[in-house]
Amino acid sequence: GAGVSQTPSNKVTEKGKYVELRCDPISGHTALYWYRQSLGQGPEFLIYFQGTGAADDSGLPNDRFFAVRPEGSVSTLKIQRTERGDSAVYLCASSPDRNQPQHFGDGTRLSIL
Amino acid sequence: AQTVTQSQPEMSVQEAETVTLSCTYDTSESDYYLFWYKQPPSRQMILVIRQEAYKQQNATENRFSVNFQKAAKSFSLKISDSQLGDAAMYFCAYQETSGSRLTFGEGTQLTVNP
Repeated sequence: GAGVSQTPSNKVTEKGKYVELRCDPISGHTALYWYRQSLGQGPEFLIYFQGTGAADDSGLPNDRFFAVRPEGSVSTLKIQRTERGDSAVYLCASSPDRNQPQHFGDGTRLSIL
Repeated sequence: AQTVTQSQPEMSVQEAETVTLSCTYDTSESDYYLFWYKQPPSRQMILVIRQEAYKQQNATENRFSVNFQKAAKSFSLKISDSQLGDAAMYFCAYQETSGSRLTFGEGTQLTVNP
């Protein structure tokens, strides 16, 4: 079966631009998570969706970051007015529910020039 | 806030030998989950093993086993009969049973020498 799919695999853009990162979870998984992993560090939590709603968005660093999951499946992480400090690998994970292990995608490497 | 600490930035092991990776954590909760994830250069985080804090028995998964010391808040990973494919970054992670987010340590880069 298909795992968690993230697109694009790599994204290079200029400072100040808007970017969208997509996550397609494992079919049937109601829980979806976004993490950010800076170079040489462990992933840091950004946001958790249960179904269509953001159950916990306390990890979003500021109001330039926003995420949606309108139909309870695919999710999009949106970053406005990108800054060089936003450069990182953005990981998406899904699980059947919040108490089951999370399965990760390959991530999107975002580079802000 | 919960924290996870991995004090070994790098470890190496000879093929077929055994290696232990260390992890400590801090929490005031009595029930929680602990995980070890493996991250090869492909970037995908792969679940290696999961431990439920209320279970006293240490989890095992083929060549991978843990030593869970709840009072000491220690959760080490033992890899037996190391293989070249085990080379990767290993992350220890914590999750509250009432929560959803994973809290990760800084990682340990494991090298397996032929």
